[in-house]
Amino acid sequence: DAGVIQSPRHEVTEMGQEVTLRCKPISGHNSLFWYRQTMMRGLELLIYFNNNVPIDDSGMPEDRFSAKMPNASFSTLKIQPSEPRDSAVYFCASSSPQSSFETQYFGPGTRLLVL
Amino acid sequence: LAKTTQPISMDSYEGQEVNITCSHNNIATNDYITWYQQFPSQGPRFIIQGYKTKVTNEVASLFIPADRKSSTLSLPRVSLSDTAVYYCLVGDSGAGSYQLTFGKGTKLSVIP
Repeated sequence: DAGVIQSPRHEVTEMGQEVTLRCKPISGHNSLFWYRQTMMRGLELLIYFNNNVPIDDSGMPEDRFSAKMPNASFSTLKIQPSEPRDSAVYFCASSSPQSSFETQYFGPGTRLLVL
Repeated sequence: LAKTTQPISMDSYEGQEVNITCSHNNIATNDYITWYQQFPSQGPRFIIQGYKTKVTNEVASLFIPADRKSSTLSLPRVSLSDTAVYYCLVGDSGAGSYQLTFGKGTKLSVIP
């Protein structure tokens, strides 16, 4: 299995631009999670989906952030407009219906730098 | 929200057994305890999970006392490649939505 795939791996953009991060979960997994990691705040859960439906987005920092999961094999996290404080590593993770909610498989992350 | 407390950092020599303890005083009845490992520039990787007593796999052992208010991750005979940050994770289903909280993690440095 290819594991969780994220793209791009690195993104450098200027403040005010739109940023779209992409994730392909492991085939057969029905839960998908978006996390953000910074030195100051550690690893934060932003939103998670179950069977393509957003279940909890209370971790999304503000309205500039949005996430979608149009089908079982694809999800996006969009930031519009981006700000320098959004600079972080964004991870996508997925989990299987056959395992516990906490057993998640993480992708390699997207390192975002907003200038 | 069930929170976890673990040491910020630990040092160990190669070949030694390392025990990392995590406190989770507010753990709920249905919560599992899960540990992850994260190397620099990589995503966290699932290591082990348990509910009570002891769980062992090819990587580590997890010890959970009867009151479940703490847990100890045990890494046998560590090597330099075990240098990483280790996170203790407790799921929280108490609010109707499932919130997961990764703590600050424990940075383990293995010394030759």
